[in-house]
Amino acid sequence: NAGVTQTPKFQVLKTGQSMTLQCAQDMNHEYMSWYRQDPGMGLRLIHYSVGAGITDQGEVPNGYNVSRSTTEDFPLRLLSAAPSQTSVYFCASSPTGEYNEQFFGPGTRLTVL
Amino acid sequence: GQSLEQPSEVTAVEGAIVQINCTYQTSGFYGLSWYQQHDGGAPTFLSYNALDGLEETGRFSSFLSRSDSYGYLLLQELQMKDSASYFCAVTVSGNTGKLIFGQGTTLQVKP
Repeated sequence: NAGVTQTPKFQVLKTGQSMTLQCAQDMNHEYMSWYRQDPGMGLRLIHYSVGAGITDQGEVPNGYNVSRSTTEDFPLRLLSAAPSQTSVYFCASSPTGEYNEQFFGPGTRLTVL
Repeated sequence: GQSLEQPSEVTAVEGAIVQINCTYQTSGFYGLSWYQQHDGGAPTFLSYNALDGLEETGRFSSFLSRSDSYGYLLLQELQMKDSASYFCAVTVSGNTGKLIFGQGTTLQVKP
């Protein structure tokens, strides 16, 4: 199993550009989530999904959209990038929402100029 | 609001024992988790406590007191590779698994 994969690893955007961060898992996990981590900070939940077709907002959802059309994929869309969105983005999955352990991808390092 | 408090930095020597505390104030509570993150890497799961008491996994133990909204991670026989950031996280929703993280504690292990 590849586990949780994220692409790209690094990305530089200009203010106002849009892009999609990809996240995929091959463990048939129902629960997936997106976090952002700013320097010296913890992880803040952006959006999460408890299954295909079901998504909900986390702590910091503004400026981001998600969809979950399949169990495997959970892309995160930045609609109009802003410098405040410069961060490291982590995707995570777990078998169910109630399962204790979340499995994290390697992260995408995004810089918005 | 939701808040988790943990010390920002802890330093200890190889072979020693260190305790990282976490206090929380959240709208819901289903359990307290601990994650380890090495510089630039992905967080990895260490432990989970849903009930009061101590859970032991090798050199690491985790404790929870729900009445005090408090938990800690205990690391024994410290090794250089334990130098990392440690995050506590509260599961605030039972059916969605929604996690809220603390800001992390950077542990530096010295020879």
